[in-house]
Amino acid sequence: AQRVTQPEKLLSVFKGAPVELKCNYSYSGSPELFWYVQYSRQRLQLLLRHISRESIKGFTADLNKGETSFHLKKPFAQEEDSAMYYCALRGGGSQGNLIFGKGTKLSVKP
Amino acid sequence: DSGVTQTPKHLITATGQRVTLRCSPRSGDLSVYWYQQSLDQGLQFLIQYYNGEERAKGNILERFSAQQFPDLHSELNLSSLELGDSALYFCASSLGPYNEQFFGPGTRLTVL
Repeated sequence: AQRVTQPEKLLSVFKGAPVELKCNYSYSGSPELFWYVQYSRQRLQLLLRHISRESIKGFTADLNKGETSFHLKKPFAQEEDSAMYYCALRGGGSQGNLIFGKGTKLSVKP
Repeated sequence: DSGVTQTPKHLITATGQRVTLRCSPRSGDLSVYWYQQSLDQGLQFLIQYYNGEERAKGNILERFSAQQFPDLHSELNLSSLELGDSALYFCASSLGPYNEQFFGPGTRLTVL
């Protein structure tokens, strides 16, 4: 079964500290992995996707097929990073729909 | 605003009732997706349309139905509502099934 697991409901760090939001997935084929972010009172928006291998707002994520993980990392957290973060998977056999994890709320304290 | 729009923003109704949620995709997008977000289940995919035709179904109850019209807007119909249907319902659109999905602001449904 296709599944995305985000083990932490809440992650609280201080400004300037490193951040790692965990994401593990279950999928037998070659999935596409995404991170979406929802800032307070804003829409859910795409942060990054594994196939583009880019860094957005200082965040990076590497797909580790051996560990079936796609953790989101940032070396120095900023207060404006406080938001809900969702990891999502799109299976190769799907019609494009996404399977989301339950999300992690990141709180960056000053 | 050329982004995804959803109406209404909030909806309060009673058990047993029927409601219709509306979604207008971004200009040019042919795919529309519906997702349900509840506290215990998180964001769950319900159904997808592409250019008027149903393409994929997720965890959508039989009491729920949807359609995409020729002008590409979509409606999600929820009937025989139960307390557990209270949730945020998101619509997303994309150019095609494998393009980036853009989300609407959501409709918050409260069933009393």
